[in-house]
Amino acid sequence: NAGVMQNPRHLVRRRGQEARLRCSPMKGHSHVYWYRQLPEEGLKFMVYLQKENIIDESGMPKERFSAEFPKEGPSILRIQQVVRGDSAAYFCASSQRGQQETQYFGPGTRLLVL
Amino acid sequence: AQKVTQAQTEISVVEKEDVTLDCVYETRDTTYYLFWYKQPPSGELVFLIRRNSFDEQNEISGRYSWNFQKSTSSFNFTITASQVVDSAVYFCALSEANSGGYQKVTFGTGTKLQVIP
Repeated sequence: NAGVMQNPRHLVRRRGQEARLRCSPMKGHSHVYWYRQLPEEGLKFMVYLQKENIIDESGMPKERFSAEFPKEGPSILRIQQVVRGDSAAYFCASSQRGQQETQYFGPGTRLLVL
Repeated sequence: AQKVTQAQTEISVVEKEDVTLDCVYETRDTTYYLFWYKQPPSGELVFLIRRNSFDEQNEISGRYSWNFQKSTSSFNFTITASQVVDSAVYFCALSEANSGGYQKVTFGTGTKLQVIP
């Protein structure tokens, strides 16, 4: 009964590189959410996806960030040309359905940009 | 817009003391959900409880209890007889169902609890 899986758990990138964060939802869950936690802060919503669809990306920075949830495989959060301010913990959550469902969180990916 | 306020940034208690973590929320919706999550030093987020806006019954789970009061828009969390393993950051969160039928969760800034042996 695996929970939400995220990999890698830790990722170090130099400025200008790309970061790819993966999230496999819980079995039976088709709704995925990404959140970002800056140091000493709470989590902030970034994007909500269902299979092959981005439903709400209102929390995503307009540039350099993108997300996908393909029909097969994990959800990917991609950050291009990373900057030091992207250093944060990125959490993925999944739910069985969107409405009235508790979101269960993965362990997070801690991104450090040097 | 929804908002969650956790005014206590850090709390220290001695083991076996009781401690209450405060949470005040703002929302315009009549239907919403409140959550508490625990984030231990290892960093993962552990779901503790979900409460919907129509259920104001207090809940007790072992040493944990929650007091939901709509009149004051508060959802406080009490740990009885605290233990060192309770040391963590605790987040209160709120979600509203929107026209798309999904929930966007808004988190408070967290309260760091340190239980001293």
